Amino acid sequence: KNQVEQSPQSLIILEGKNCTLQCNYTVSPFSNLRWYKQDTGRGPVSLTIMTFSENTKSNGRYTATLDADTKQSSLHITASQLSDSASYICVVSGTGTYSGAGSYQLTFGKGTKLSVIP
Amino acid sequence: DAGVTQSPTHLIKTRGQQVTLRCSPISGHKSVSWYQQVLGQGPQFIFQYYEKEERGRGNFPDRFSARQFPNYSSELNVNALLLGDSALYLCASSLDYSGANVLTFGAGSRLTVL
Repeated sequence: KNQVEQSPQSLIILEGKNCTLQCNYTVSPFSNLRWYKQDTGRGPVSLTIMTFSENTKSNGRYTATLDADTKQSSLHITASQLSDSASYICVVSGTGTYSGAGSYQLTFGKGTKLSVIP
Repeated sequence: DAGVTQSPTHLIKTRGQQVTLRCSPISGHKSVSWYQQVLGQGPQFIFQYYEKEERGRGNFPDRFSARQFPNYSSELNVNALLLGDSALYLCASSLDYSGANVLTFGAGSRLTVL
């Protein structure tokens, strides 16, 4: 069964500090991995998308890494800001033929809730 | 350019009622997907439509139905509402149904069933 596990479930950090969020997946075969940021009560916003051949991708203060061998990804946030407070969701896309369960075959993690405090 | 727009943003219904949620994709996007997100959980896939045809269906009961119109907008209908249907309903659009495309989400419709 395809699964995406994220840790920690929640995290509180001081403004200006760095943090790293983890994502482990069992989706196979693998197509790509995405990180989304979701503010409370809002829709998720894409941060990065990485394919099998990419090890790292940055988007401003956000840097995602991918180890396709160990099926692990991390999202590193540098110099956190109050506006970084949100849930961060890891989403893994599988490949294969149409299975009736969605051509995307996306598997969502439950997210990590990050709170940045002054 | 306008993003993915959803309506209504909030609504309250009672058990047994029916609800229709609407979604307009980004201009040029032909695929729309619907997700249900209960508090504290990740989004759960409900439906995917591309060029007005259903391309995927998640593990939801037949009370849930959807359709896509010629202008690529979409509606999600839920009949015989249950308390457990209370959730944020997200619509996402993309160019096509390929798993390689980035999904752009709307702000969601918050449904409360009393």
